[in-house]
Amino acid sequence: ETGVTQSPTHLIKTRGQQVTLRCSSQSGHNTVSWYQQALGQGPQFIFQYYREEENGRGNFPPRFSGLQFPNYSSELNVNALELDDSALYLCASSATGSSGNTIYFGEGSWLTVV
Amino acid sequence: TQLLEQSPQFLSIQEGENLTVYCNSSSVFSSLQWYRQEPGEGPVLLVTVVTGGEVKKLKRLTFQFGDARKDSSLHITAAQPGDTGLYLCADYAHLYGNKLVFGAGTILRVKS
Repeated sequence: ETGVTQSPTHLIKTRGQQVTLRCSSQSGHNTVSWYQQALGQGPQFIFQYYREEENGRGNFPPRFSGLQFPNYSSELNVNALELDDSALYLCASSATGSSGNTIYFGEGSWLTVV
Repeated sequence: TQLLEQSPQFLSIQEGENLTVYCNSSSVFSSLQWYRQEPGEGPVLLVTVVTGGEVKKLKRLTFQFGDARKDSSLHITAAQPGDTGLYLCADYAHLYGNKLVFGAGTILRVKS
């Protein structure tokens, strides 16, 4: 139990649709990151939010966007879904925006695009 | 762009056997971390190593960090079915705060 909660756990969407995934971070954690893990691969960094501001972005197109709220919970939005977006989406939280702090992952949201 | 290569991709062994998995980086690690991910769950941190040549032990798991800080190994002694999972190495990249760069992982299956 990491204290990081994600919803929904599983969902199926049609190509071209939009999806919103949600994450509730561990109490006291002000930094949230999102990762995409395709089948048979390691997680890939999408972006990070620190105190409601984007604080780094990986190699993902602008149709991947996010939000962090004052209570430090977060959303990942993906527009114009493509088949290759099918993956496990992981939320991770940590105590500060600097390095050296343990990162805790949620159980993930499985997205299938058909 | 840093690339992490893990080997083997898949390992299936009997309970009680020993095993070693490897992680190699195309560039020097900032801070190497090993994670285990079980089916249906997110990765869980096992260890962080920073200093070249460092060896850390966690019960039956031994982690070694190469002198040049570009490679690492994870050795499991007397594997148990509970060790089954995906073992991921990652570089804790400082440039963007808490960004992690992961390898593709080694899938370990321990049969009883």
